[in-house]
Parts: sequence; C-alpha cells; structure tokens
Amino acid sequence: QQQVKQSPQSLIVQKGGISIINCAYENTAFDYFPWYQQFPGKGPALLIAIRPDVSEKKEGRFTISFNKSAKQFSLHIMDSQPGDSATYFCAASGKGGSARQLTFGSGTQLTVLP
Amino acid sequence: DAGVTQSPTHLIKTRGQHVTLRCSPISGHKSVSWYQQVLGQGPQFIFQYYEKEERGRGNFPDRFSARQFPNYSSELNVNALLLGDSALYLCASSFLQTNTEAFFGQGTRLTVV
Repeated sequence: QQQVKQSPQSLIVQKGGISIINCAYENTAFDYFPWYQQFPGKGPALLIAIRPDVSEKKEGRFTISFNKSAKQFSLHIMDSQPGDSATYFCAASGKGGSARQLTFGSGTQLTVLP
Repeated sequence: DAGVTQSPTHLIKTRGQHVTLRCSPISGHKSVSWYQQVLGQGPQFIFQYYEKEERGRGNFPDRFSARQFPNYSSELNVNALLLGDSALYLCASSFLQTNTEAFFGQGTRLTVV
C-alpha cells in the first residue's frame, strides 16, 4: 500500500516536444505529491509539488495534473529542452505514521534530443 | 543560504567495516531524513529525525543507526558493511515533520569492496 508506481521507465522526446510521466498510488493517507529532478551524481532537486485539493498546478514549463478519484498524478514538461534530460521521480507522503515519509517511484530517465 | 551539505562525498570501505555519514540541514530546518538510493532506483527511506528524536524508521536492518545533534545536524552509522550497502546515501531536510518541501543534499557515494 506504500508503493508509488511510475511509468515509463525511460522516455525520449524531441526538443520542443511535451514530456509526460505518470504515477499511481494506493495509500489514501498520502496528501502531498512532489516531483524531483535528478542529474547524474547529484541529489534529487524539488521541482514542483501538489496537494489533492487542486487538480492542476503549473510552474513555468512544468505542470502537475492530479486525479484524486483515480489516485494518479502526472508531470508534463512543455517545450522540452536538452537541459531537461535527467531522471525524474514522483513521490508521495502523508501526515501520519509511515505515510509521513516520502515514498518514491522508480524513476523515469528522460532524454531530450536536440 | 547554504543548502543541505553532506560529507564525505565519496567513500570506499571494506566488507565488515563501519561507516559514519554526516549531514547538515538547511538553516532553520529541524527535520532530517536519510535515504538510500541504489543505482537505477528511487530513494528508499531509512530514518527520520525531528527535534532530535527518531520519528520514523524504514525497513532496514539494525546495522543502520542514526542520531541528530542539538544543532540539528545528523549522522548515519552503518555497521558490519555488506557489498549490498553500496549506494548513494541521501540526506533531506525540511522545516516540518511532515516532509513537505524536503530538500536533498548531493549525497555520499558509498562503495563497499
């Protein structure tokens, strides 16, 4: 029940295209859903996050879409750039007990071709 | 402001040895969490400390231990190292216990030979 399932495992997009990464969760105690970007040899960097009281959040070229009934959320990267090439992780956490900790998806390796 | 700092950045240890990893959180952050990231996988939660008390423990053996100091910095200790302990160890700090807006350090790359 603590799992966060992420897909696809890898994604190749042309420069200027839209990158879409999907995640699904089971634990209804989760109420915070961040996305992290990680470059090789670096720690994950917080990109954008959403709470279930809204269905969409946009920050620059990055948008999170959230579907509470389906227990799914996704990251859209508009106008993808080669500098966006990195591994992206979705995560989830909640207020209490074991849900308080960040549970991460397995990651998506994004490659944006020039 | 400095971000989360971890030391050392790289470490090579022999099986059976022990290791101590260190983390300094962002100024003002009272929560420190430790994660293990094996190559090609997402980070796995090991421990959380908030206000110097353990607030959570992941599914790791007792060889793993941690503590938080009065200045909110933290140490992760691993005893009797196994080859499978080779990983990137990440420290994350947040202001709240709920781990919202958790910021990660660059990690310590541990190699056990």
